[in-house]
Amino acid sequence: KAGVTQTPRYLIKTRGQQVTLSCSPISGHRSVSWYQQTPGQGLQFLFEYFSETQRNKGNFPGRFSGRQFSNSRSEMNVSTLELGDSALYLCASSELGTFGNEQFFGPGTRLTVL
Amino acid sequence: AQSVSQHNHHVILSEAASLELGCNYSYGGTVNLFWYVQYPGQHLQLLLKYFSGDPLVKGIKGFEAEFIKSKFSFNLRKPSVQWSDTAEYFCALRGGSNYKLTFGKGTLLTVNP
Repeated sequence: KAGVTQTPRYLIKTRGQQVTLSCSPISGHRSVSWYQQTPGQGLQFLFEYFSETQRNKGNFPGRFSGRQFSNSRSEMNVSTLELGDSALYLCASSELGTFGNEQFFGPGTRLTVL
Repeated sequence: AQSVSQHNHHVILSEAASLELGCNYSYGGTVNLFWYVQYPGQHLQLLLKYFSGDPLVKGIKGFEAEFIKSKFSFNLRKPSVQWSDTAEYFCALRGGSNYKLTFGKGTLLTVNP
């Protein structure tokens, strides 16, 4: 099976712009989670979707949003970008999204905000 | 709230040395615990996981971890490291009915040949 894919891999934006990142989970996986990774804060949970429903949300401002489509693909959107949003954004998928399921991570999208 | 702390930010070892990376968590209920590894230029991969049962879990590449409930710890061990183990290691927790993973800040392991 192909792994989790994320597009684009690299992105450069300026402050105030908005950005959309895409994640395609492993075939058959219905749960998609998003994480932000920065040198200072490490890996922080953004949100998790299962069957197009957001089940969990982390402590991020409302500028961060996401959605999941019927084919389990997911997008996250960040509006009104700030310098502090520069980070590696990771997507992870799991088969059922239940507590015991392993999450498989994608390579990430490196976002740089200038 | 759930949290994870990893004691060491950077560990430097020589090949064949033994490894133990500390991980402590804070959560009052049932937990699932994980160790992930991120090799240079690669994405996060699962090393091992604990859900229930035997507190000593074995993972890939000769790694193992022991869940000690009384100490809220889940330390990672390997008896003899190799240069190829150079990577960043993350401990993670899923607590109770949460669907999210809470990660520690990570430990960078450098193994010198």
